[in-house]
Amino acid sequence: DTEVTQTPKHLVMGMTNKKSLKCEQHMGHRAMYWYKQKAKKPPELMFVYSYEKLSINESVPSRFSPECPNSSLLNLHLHALQPEDSALYLCASGTGGSGANVLTFGAGSRLTVL
Amino acid sequence: GENVEQHPSTLSVQEGDSAVIKCTYSDSASNYFPWYKQELGKGPQLIIDIRSNVGEKKDQRIAVTLNKTAKHFSLHITETQPEDSAVYFCAASKPGTASKLTFGTGTRLQVTL
Repeated sequence: DTEVTQTPKHLVMGMTNKKSLKCEQHMGHRAMYWYKQKAKKPPELMFVYSYEKLSINESVPSRFSPECPNSSLLNLHLHALQPEDSALYLCASGTGGSGANVLTFGAGSRLTVL
Repeated sequence: GENVEQHPSTLSVQEGDSAVIKCTYSDSASNYFPWYKQELGKGPQLIIDIRSNVGEKKDQRIAVTLNKTAKHFSLHITETQPEDSAVYFCAASKPGTASKLTFGTGTRLQVTL
């Protein structure tokens, strides 16, 4: 079983809806990530939180709004999405440190925008 | 920024044969090179990784080699089994608590009976 838990596993929403994706880890990691993965493509970085502060935003449209309420939780708020935003959204947490940043991924939330 | 190239995009081998996937990276500051396996409908799972101070690492049927001078690293799977069939991604990152992990384009491995 993965140590990074994502909910929901599947989400279908209309373009006018507001929904949220949730991610939880209890490994004590202080870095958390959102990646987006389209079919047959590699994961693409969206956001990175370090010590609950946003440290990287890869020029993601404002209709995606991340939130890190505490060191164990990461949310991605969705509003006014487009059909092309349909994808697998992956959360990850990282060990950090100067030697290597080992990322553990969740199973993902598959989003369909109608 | 970092750019990671991965070859081949698809690889078909017979059960019991070996499979090799190759990646190159562009940023000489990268020091950590993981390999992830992704099965259909699942998230990427770390299968092996290597740090820049090591040239080779092995874990049972899986090995990874790193050539820092050439900025090249490879995944070797021996005695392949049907359950090895999946998409494999190489990746690279630099040191840091919240460093970015950049993925290669992926290799779809099919192990046939």
